Order: sequence, then structure tokens, then C-alpha cells
Amino acid sequence: ETGVTQSPTHLIKTRGQQVTLRCSSQSGHNTVSWYQQALGQGPQFIFQYYREEENGRGNFPPRFSGLQFPNYSSELNVNALELDDSALYLCASSLGLAGVRETQYFGPGTRLLVL
Amino acid sequence: GESVGLHLPTLSVQEGDNSIINCAYSNSASDYFIWYKQESGKGPQFIIDIRSNMDKRQGQRVTVLLNKTVKHLSLQIAATQPGDSAVYFCAERHGSSNTGKLIFGQGTTLQVKP
Repeated sequence: ETGVTQSPTHLIKTRGQQVTLRCSSQSGHNTVSWYQQALGQGPQFIFQYYREEENGRGNFPPRFSGLQFPNYSSELNVNALELDDSALYLCASSLGLAGVRETQYFGPGTRLLVL
Repeated sequence: GESVGLHLPTLSVQEGDNSIINCAYSNSASDYFIWYKQESGKGPQFIIDIRSNMDKRQGQRVTVLLNKTVKHLSLQIAATQPGDSAVYFCAERHGSSNTGKLIFGQGTTLQVKP
């Protein structure tokens, strides 16, 4: 059984650019959630995908968007990058219907630096 | 409002002692709670969870206690080891939520002295 993987591990972008982060869920998991973790803070929920549909969104602007593919892998896209977008972006996968209290297992994260 | 808070930002313990990390939550509608451990440069690692219909749950060397009356959660680590050094987060999920949104606290750094 493979765990949650994310790519790339690190990324440097400049303000105004666009970025795509990728996540492969744990084997058998069909739900993916994305979180943003600023330095010294707890993770903050961005959104969740279940069976290729967005199922819930946190307090993030529309320039944060996502996709989930038939194999349950997922992408997080951020347009018009701002300096405050610099953070660790975490993907978590879980099994079962969204909203059912299934444990979320996190990947190692992608460290994004916006200059 | 949505907030999960931890009482202490840093906890320093001697190797072999027991550790207790505390967490206060504000939403009485929360019905599921999780503790995660995050080591430097890594993603959060699941430790243990508890549902609101329980007061206590035990795992390997860890125990989670839930006091719904005062909206307090704690993680007890027995015989703390150097490998336990990390940041510990409590997280909650609201019972009324139809998503998997977890609300995290700020985290407590556990330092284990040899």
C-alpha cells in the first residue's frame, strides 16, 4: 500500500505567476483534501474533492482551484500568485463518502516560495 | 467561531517521562477530533482520533481524553522518547459539516530532553 505522494517537493515562483501542484492519493482512497500551512501555523482547509467533484471549500479566493482525476489523483492550481501564498501545501486523502468521519492521511507537502 | 487552541506553544519533557498536550476547542457542534504529529519538513502524521460519543481512547503509548463539558482535548504520551519530538496538532471536524474540513490548532512543540 502506497502512501500519499506530492510533487514537486519545492517550488519557487514570482508574483503574478501560476502554479500547479500534484497529489496522488493513498491506494484505495477516493477523497482528496488540500490544505495551506503557513510557517508556524496549523494547516488551513482549502477544498476537498470527492469522485472528481468539489465538496466543500474553505475561505480561499477563486484563484485557488482544483481538479480530481478518475484515478483519484488531484491538482491544486493557484493563479496570480501573491507573496502571502508562500506556504507548505498539503494534500490529504481519505476513504469513503465525503463528510463521513474518515481519517485523513497527509502527504509530505509542497513548499512554495513566491518572490 | 472556528478555532482550536492549544494551551502551550512549547512543552519540554525528560526522556522517559509522560507528556500531556492540551487543546481547547470552541465549537460544541464538533463531534470528531484528531491528533497529528508533524516532524520538521514532513506532513502531519495521524496519531489517534476520538469521536464525541467517547471520553477516552488508547493507542500504542498514547491516550486521548475528551471532556465535552469544558470543550477540552488532551493527548497523553507515555514514556516519551526522543523520536516523539515534533509539533503536535489537534484538529476538529464539525458535526454539521458535510465536508471533510478539519480545523487545526496552532500546534504545540514537544521537546524531549535526553
